[in-house]
Amino acid sequence: QKEVEQDPGPLSVPEGAIVSLNCTYSNSAFQYFMWYRQYSRKGPELLMYTYSSGNKEDGRFTAQVDKSSKYISLFIRDSQPSDSATYLCAIATGNQFYFGTGTSLTVIP
Amino acid sequence: AAGVIQSPRHLIKEKRETATLKCYPIPRHDTVYWYQQGPGQDPQFLISFYEKMQSDKGSIPDRFSAQQFSDYHSELNMSSLELGDSALYFCASSPRGGQAFEAFFGQGTRLTVV
Repeated sequence: QKEVEQDPGPLSVPEGAIVSLNCTYSNSAFQYFMWYRQYSRKGPELLMYTYSSGNKEDGRFTAQVDKSSKYISLFIRDSQPSDSATYLCAIATGNQFYFGTGTSLTVIP
Repeated sequence: AAGVIQSPRHLIKEKRETATLKCYPIPRHDTVYWYQQGPGQDPQFLISFYEKMQSDKGSIPDRFSAQQFSDYHSELNMSSLELGDSALYFCASSPRGGQAFEAFFGQGTRLTVV
């Protein structure tokens, strides 16, 4: 069983839509929760990270962590075609972390 | 700004050959991580180095070895290549005291084994 599960999609939305991406994990020991964006043929780029439970907002992006249900989410408001990419969630403790399989998102102009 | 540099960007090898992938971290980053990302897969952690010493080991096959040199660049050596080794290999680096998830990724080396 993978440490973190993520729906691979693909997800296709019209420009301006609100996008919701989600992951679940099983081990309550994890303390850091991240979202990466990966464009085709490029390395993952850290978008946001959250320590423990709660919300974190950065521009059009909001990350949520619910440790009680082991559920993490990324919301993208007013989605743009440039947001089209694969979004990977990740969880970490110590110096090692685990990625989700990634959700492919396409924002249609 | 300087980023993580990986070379080569693309590599084609035959089965049973060897390959060497190189990673040059961001200046003043002393920690290097290697990941393998198969087609449609999430990146799998292979191995990491801190101050030229191996710091953590993931799912790295015994056919692979890696090291970090005095200038902090790292090399991943892969022997007896198999078709299943075809993947994108990412290197990431982080500064002293940084967390793994804060590491900056290079653009990867795409290895194709034929």
